[in-house]
Amino acid sequence: GQNIDQPTEMTATEGAIVQINCTYQTSGFNGLFWYQQHAGEAPTFLSYNVLDGLEEKGRFSSFLSRSKGYSYLLLKELQMKDSASYLCAVRDSNYQLIWGAGTKLIIKP
Amino acid sequence: ETGVTQTPRHLVMGMTNKKSLKCEQHLGHNAMYWYKQSAKKPLELMFVYNFKEQTENNSVPSRFSPECPNSSHLFLHLHTLQPEDSALYLCASSQVADTGELFFGEGSRLTVL
Repeated sequence: GQNIDQPTEMTATEGAIVQINCTYQTSGFNGLFWYQQHAGEAPTFLSYNVLDGLEEKGRFSSFLSRSKGYSYLLLKELQMKDSASYLCAVRDSNYQLIWGAGTKLIIKP
Repeated sequence: ETGVTQTPRHLVMGMTNKKSLKCEQHLGHNAMYWYKQSAKKPLELMFVYNFKEQTENNSVPSRFSPECPNSSHLFLHLHTLQPEDSALYLCASSQVADTGELFFGEGSRLTVL
């Protein structure tokens, strides 16, 4: 079967750096996506990786290793507004999105 | 504001009721989706419409009935639901189907008594 694993919950301190990991086993691979979802709000697209390496977008970076079936989302200079759930999703060989259950990130002052 | 609007935001219904969820997108997209989101579970894809044609029905029980009258509007008709159907129902759109960059609405929180 297809599976996406990510930690259920993480806690970090304002101003610090946090890395949210995502491992996947899917039928084929056509890209990995990260979404952010604040409580009670819509998920919003953060990043897309299809080739190995690091993609940087401001305070957020996303890394992919296809050979290891692994990605991480790196958040720098954490702010209280970064408290949210972060969803990892992989597009498989049929171009279907396979979703992880999400990581709830709690930022403390 | 994501450009995808869902109504109602909250709905409480009995198991014998009939209700509908509505989704409207203002982004000029050609694909629309219904997802079910339950606590601590991955998003579950329910239905996909691409250029108004249903392209995906993910083994969803017949008590959920989608309708897509045009590329901007999507409905989910609900009938004889079960308490386990209580969840957040998210609508999303994308330029075309199979892209992974989705634009979600804020969801309709459904409670079935």
